Amino acid sequence: GAVVSQHPSRVICKSGTSVKIECRSLDFQATTMFWYRQFPKQSLMLMATSNEGSKATYEQGVEKDKFLINHASLTLSTLTVTSAHPEDSSFYICSARKAGGRETQYFGPGTRLLVL
Amino acid sequence: DQQVKQNSPSLSVQEGRISILNCDYTNSMFDYFLWYKKYPAEGPTFLISISSIKDKNEDGRFTVFLNKSAKHLSLHIVPSQPGDSAVYFCAASVGNSGYALNFGKGTSLLVTP
Repeated sequence: GAVVSQHPSRVICKSGTSVKIECRSLDFQATTMFWYRQFPKQSLMLMATSNEGSKATYEQGVEKDKFLINHASLTLSTLTVTSAHPEDSSFYICSARKAGGRETQYFGPGTRLLVL
Repeated sequence: DQQVKQNSPSLSVQEGRISILNCDYTNSMFDYFLWYKKYPAEGPTFLISISSIKDKNEDGRFTVFLNKSAKHLSLHIVPSQPGDSAVYFCAASVGNSGYALNFGKGTSLLVTP
């Protein structure tokens, strides 16, 4: 199989704090990892594309200084929401792409972030 | 700017009947299309895909049709089962973009017994 985990699954924090979300591919090495955000009843919006050992590529409108991505290894990427504010409350989902066909992108279970 | 659109937020179908989920796109550069199924509080799981060089792909009860001239694709599920109840996302990608996916807003399918 191809399993992707995310930790934590849910986090509640105070405004102004930073939150780190981990994404791991458990049984394969990911050539690329992606970070998405989903607001209620909206589509998953791509935030950034992350390759191991290089800087992440951010989508237009996503602040790279606010959403720090570190892709330390072929199985781990982290997203840090710095100085989180209530408007950052959302569902964050990562995916990891396995070498192979175009459908080999596997999603984590997501992290629900609530900023008070 | 939403490049992939699913205009029906919800669909209810009786068990045994056909479910048809529709998706439209605006970017003519998209060359690969995927359907994902998602349960609440879980990540999407891959269901079926189609390359732009094809107009149909079938996998068991699931068939995806692609009409490039209309920039439209649809997912057919037949026969529908209660376990198919979930949110279905249409996604598209461009081959040279690193395979990042552009998602629609999803259609919530409810299959009733």
